Amino acid sequence: DTAVSQTPKYLVTQMGNDKSIKCEQNLGHDTMYWYKQDSKKFLKIMFSYNNKELIINETVPNRFSPKSPDKAHLNLHINSLELGDSAVYFCASSPLLSYEQYFGPGTRLTVT
Amino acid sequence: AQTVTQSQPEMSVQEAETVTLSCTYDTSESDYYLFWYKQPPSRQMILVIRQEAYKQQNATENRFSVNFQKAAKSFSLKISDSQLGDAAMYFCAYRSAAGTNDMRFGAGTRLTVKP
Repeated sequence: DTAVSQTPKYLVTQMGNDKSIKCEQNLGHDTMYWYKQDSKKFLKIMFSYNNKELIINETVPNRFSPKSPDKAHLNLHINSLELGDSAVYFCASSPLLSYEQYFGPGTRLTVT
Repeated sequence: AQTVTQSQPEMSVQEAETVTLSCTYDTSESDYYLFWYKQPPSRQMILVIRQEAYKQQNATENRFSVNFQKAAKSFSLKISDSQLGDAAMYFCAYRSAAGTNDMRFGAGTRLTVKP
Protein backbone atom coordinates (compact mmCIF):
# COMPACT_ATOMS: atom_id res chain seq x y z
CA ASP A 1 0.00 0.00 0.00
CA THR A 2 1.23 3.47 -0.90
CA ALA A 3 1.89 5.56 2.21
CA VAL A 4 1.98 9.01 0.60
CA SER A 5 0.54 9.40 -2.87
CA GLN A 6 0.41 12.33 -5.25
CA THR A 7 -1.57 12.95 -8.41
CA PRO A 8 -0.71 13.62 -11.10
CA LYS A 9 2.92 12.50 -11.40
CA TYR A 10 3.43 14.68 -14.45
CA LEU A 11 1.71 17.93 -15.31
CA VAL A 12 2.35 20.04 -18.38
CA THR A 13 0.45 23.28 -18.73
CA GLN A 14 0.66 26.75 -20.19
CA MET A 15 1.47 30.03 -18.51
CA GLY A 16 -1.47 31.70 -16.88
CA ASN A 17 -3.39 28.52 -16.18
CA ASP A 18 -4.58 27.36 -12.76
CA LYS A 19 -3.74 23.85 -11.64
CA SER A 20 -3.94 21.62 -8.57
CA ILE A 21 -1.81 18.78 -7.25
CA LYS A 22 -3.39 16.33 -4.85
CA CYS A 23 -1.73 14.55 -1.95
CA GLU A 24 -3.06 11.81 0.29
CA GLN A 25 -1.44 9.90 3.14
CA ASN A 26 -2.78 6.74 4.75
CA LEU A 27 -0.35 6.75 7.68
CA GLY A 28 -2.58 8.57 10.13
CA HIS A 29 -0.05 11.37 10.44
CA ASP A 30 -0.97 14.75 11.88
CA THR A 31 1.28 16.96 9.80
CA MET A 32 1.65 17.25 6.05
CA TYR A 33 4.07 19.30 3.95
CA TRP A 34 4.71 20.60 0.47
CA TYR A 35 8.26 20.97 -0.87
CA LYS A 36 9.55 22.40 -4.13
CA GLN A 37 12.62 20.90 -5.80
CA ASP A 38 14.10 23.16 -8.45
CA SER A 39 16.16 22.24 -11.50
CA LYS A 40 19.32 22.20 -9.39
CA LYS A 41 17.73 19.62 -7.08
CA PHE A 42 17.46 22.05 -4.20
CA LEU A 43 14.60 21.15 -1.86
CA LYS A 44 12.76 23.90 -0.08
CA ILE A 45 9.73 23.68 2.15
CA MET A 46 6.68 25.61 1.03
CA PHE A 47 3.95 24.78 3.52
CA SER A 48 3.04 22.49 6.33
CA TYR A 49 -0.36 21.74 7.81
CA ASN A 50 -1.02 20.38 11.25
CA ASN A 51 -4.58 19.27 11.89
CA LYS A 52 -5.78 21.54 9.08
CA GLU A 53 -3.96 24.59 10.40
CA LEU A 54 -1.12 26.21 8.48
CA ILE A 55 1.98 26.23 10.64
CA ILE A 56 4.68 27.08 8.14
CA ASN A 57 4.47 29.46 5.24
CA GLU A 58 7.86 30.24 3.78
CA THR A 59 8.33 33.09 1.30
CA VAL A 60 6.01 31.57 -1.24
CA PRO A 61 3.94 33.70 -3.64
CA ASN A 62 0.29 33.91 -2.73
CA ARG A 63 -0.50 32.30 -6.07
CA PHE A 64 0.20 29.08 -4.21
CA SER A 65 -2.47 27.98 -1.76
CA PRO A 66 -2.57 24.76 0.22
CA LYS A 67 -5.97 23.27 0.90
CA SER A 68 -6.61 20.52 3.40
CA PRO A 69 -10.13 19.03 3.32
CA ASP A 70 -9.17 16.59 6.09
CA LYS A 71 -6.17 15.29 7.99
CA ALA A 72 -5.25 12.78 5.28
CA HIS A 73 -5.19 15.23 2.38
CA LEU A 74 -3.19 18.33 1.54
CA ASN A 75 -3.71 19.68 -1.96
CA LEU A 76 -1.67 22.40 -3.61
CA HIS A 77 -3.45 24.88 -5.82
CA ILE A 78 -1.49 27.20 -8.08
CA ASN A 79 -3.02 30.22 -9.80
CA SER A 80 -1.67 32.06 -12.84
CA LEU A 81 1.19 29.67 -13.45
CA GLU A 82 4.56 31.13 -14.44
CA LEU A 83 7.58 29.62 -16.17
CA GLY A 84 9.52 29.74 -12.90
CA ASP A 85 7.00 27.45 -11.27
CA SER A 86 8.38 24.54 -13.29
CA ALA A 87 9.81 22.12 -10.72
CA VAL A 88 9.14 18.87 -8.93
CA TYR A 89 6.72 19.24 -6.04
CA PHE A 90 6.85 16.78 -3.17
CA CYS A 91 4.24 16.09 -0.57
CA ALA A 92 5.36 14.64 2.77
CA SER A 93 3.83 13.72 6.10
CA SER A 94 4.93 13.04 9.66
CA PRO A 95 3.36 12.33 13.03
CA LEU A 96 3.11 15.49 15.09
CA LEU A 97 5.90 14.71 17.47
CA SER A 98 7.99 12.58 15.14
CA TYR A 99 11.27 13.62 13.64
CA GLU A 100 10.83 11.70 10.39
CA GLN A 101 9.04 12.71 7.20
CA TYR A 102 7.69 10.34 4.59
CA PHE A 103 7.66 11.62 1.03
CA GLY A 104 5.36 11.08 -1.89
CA PRO A 105 6.71 10.23 -5.36
CA GLY A 106 6.71 13.85 -6.51
CA THR A 107 4.87 15.72 -9.27
CA ARG A 108 6.89 17.14 -12.12
CA LEU A 109 5.26 20.38 -13.20
CA THR A 110 6.29 21.89 -16.52
CA VAL A 111 4.98 25.31 -17.48
CA THR A 112 5.33 26.25 -21.14
CA ALA B 1 18.07 30.03 10.69
CA GLN B 2 19.57 26.61 10.40
CA THR B 3 21.58 25.88 7.28
CA VAL B 4 22.87 22.60 5.90
CA THR B 5 25.92 22.44 3.65
CA GLN B 6 27.01 19.60 1.42
CA SER B 7 30.32 20.60 -0.07
CA GLN B 8 30.59 17.73 -2.57
CA PRO B 9 28.26 18.22 -5.56
CA GLU B 10 29.42 14.91 -7.03
CA MET B 11 31.18 11.81 -5.77
CA SER B 12 32.21 8.59 -7.44
CA VAL B 13 32.99 5.16 -5.99
CA GLN B 14 33.95 1.80 -7.37
CA GLU B 15 31.53 -1.02 -6.76
CA ALA B 16 32.27 -2.84 -3.46
CA GLU B 17 34.38 0.06 -2.20
CA THR B 18 33.58 2.53 0.58
CA VAL B 19 32.64 6.18 0.12
CA THR B 20 31.98 8.99 2.58
CA LEU B 21 29.64 11.90 1.89
CA SER B 22 30.14 15.09 3.88
CA CYS B 23 27.59 17.31 5.57
CA THR B 24 27.92 20.23 7.94
CA TYR B 25 25.20 22.30 9.53
CA ASP B 26 24.80 25.49 11.43
CA THR B 27 22.49 25.77 14.43
CA SER B 28 22.30 27.31 17.86
CA GLU B 29 19.98 24.59 19.13
CA SER B 30 21.06 21.68 21.28
CA ASP B 31 18.23 19.30 20.47
CA TYR B 32 17.63 18.33 16.86
CA TYR B 33 17.64 15.46 14.40
CA LEU B 34 19.75 14.77 11.35
CA PHE B 35 18.91 12.64 8.35
CA TRP B 36 20.29 11.33 5.12
CA TYR B 37 17.80 10.86 2.30
CA LYS B 38 18.46 9.12 -0.99
CA GLN B 39 16.84 10.17 -4.25
CA PRO B 40 17.38 7.68 -7.10
CA PRO B 41 16.43 8.49 -10.70
CA SER B 42 12.87 7.48 -9.87
CA ARG B 43 12.94 10.73 -7.78
CA GLN B 44 11.34 9.06 -4.76
CA MET B 45 12.84 10.44 -1.55
CA ILE B 46 13.94 7.51 0.63
CA LEU B 47 15.12 7.82 4.22
CA VAL B 48 18.53 6.19 4.59
CA ILE B 49 19.46 6.90 8.17
CA ARG B 50 18.65 9.22 11.08
CA GLN B 51 20.53 10.49 14.10
CA GLU B 52 19.24 12.12 17.27
CA ALA B 53 21.54 14.89 18.47
CA TYR B 54 21.29 13.75 22.10
CA LYS B 55 22.70 10.33 21.23
CA GLN B 56 26.46 10.03 21.23
CA GLN B 57 26.43 6.70 19.45
CA ASN B 58 26.61 6.90 15.68
CA ALA B 59 23.61 5.46 13.85
CA THR B 60 24.06 2.42 11.61
CA GLU B 61 21.74 0.81 9.08
CA ASN B 62 23.30 -2.20 7.39
CA ARG B 63 25.93 -0.83 4.96
CA PHE B 64 25.16 2.78 5.90
CA SER B 65 26.66 4.49 8.92
CA VAL B 66 27.22 8.05 10.06
CA ASN B 67 29.99 9.93 11.77
CA PHE B 68 28.21 12.47 13.95
CA GLN B 69 30.45 15.12 15.46
CA LYS B 70 28.16 17.42 17.42
CA ALA B 71 30.78 19.93 18.50
CA ALA B 72 32.03 20.26 14.94
CA LYS B 73 28.44 20.23 13.58
CA SER B 74 29.39 17.54 11.13
CA PHE B 75 27.30 14.60 9.96
CA SER B 76 28.95 12.44 7.30
CA LEU B 77 27.50 9.33 5.67
CA LYS B 78 29.64 6.27 5.01
CA ILE B 79 28.48 3.71 2.49
CA SER B 80 30.34 0.41 2.70
CA ASP B 81 30.49 -2.27 0.02
CA SER B 82 28.91 0.12 -2.50
CA GLN B 83 26.39 -1.35 -4.90
CA LEU B 84 25.15 -0.16 -8.27
CA GLY B 85 21.77 0.51 -6.69
CA ASP B 86 23.36 3.06 -4.36
CA ALA B 87 23.76 5.47 -7.25
CA ALA B 88 21.54 8.44 -6.47
CA MET B 89 21.38 11.98 -5.12
CA TYR B 90 21.97 12.03 -1.38
CA PHE B 91 20.54 14.81 0.75
CA CYS B 92 21.54 15.70 4.27
CA ALA B 93 18.72 17.23 6.32
CA TYR B 94 18.27 18.94 9.68
CA ARG B 95 15.14 19.09 11.74
CA SER B 96 14.65 21.01 14.96
CA ALA B 97 13.19 19.16 17.92
CA ALA B 98 11.13 22.23 18.77
CA GLY B 99 9.10 24.81 16.97
CA THR B 100 7.60 24.13 13.60
CA ASN B 101 9.56 20.95 12.92
CA ASP B 102 10.27 21.88 9.33
CA MET B 103 13.18 20.14 7.67
CA ARG B 104 16.14 21.94 6.08
CA PHE B 105 17.96 20.19 3.27
CA GLY B 106 21.46 20.50 1.88
CA ALA B 107 22.03 20.96 -1.84
CA GLY B 108 22.69 17.27 -2.37
CA THR B 109 25.58 15.07 -3.52
CA ARG B 110 25.26 13.02 -6.68
CA LEU B 111 26.86 9.61 -6.15
CA THR B 112 27.98 7.54 -9.11
CA VAL B 113 28.88 3.88 -8.63
CA LYS B 114 31.26 2.41 -11.20
CA PRO B 115 31.07 -1.30 -12.00
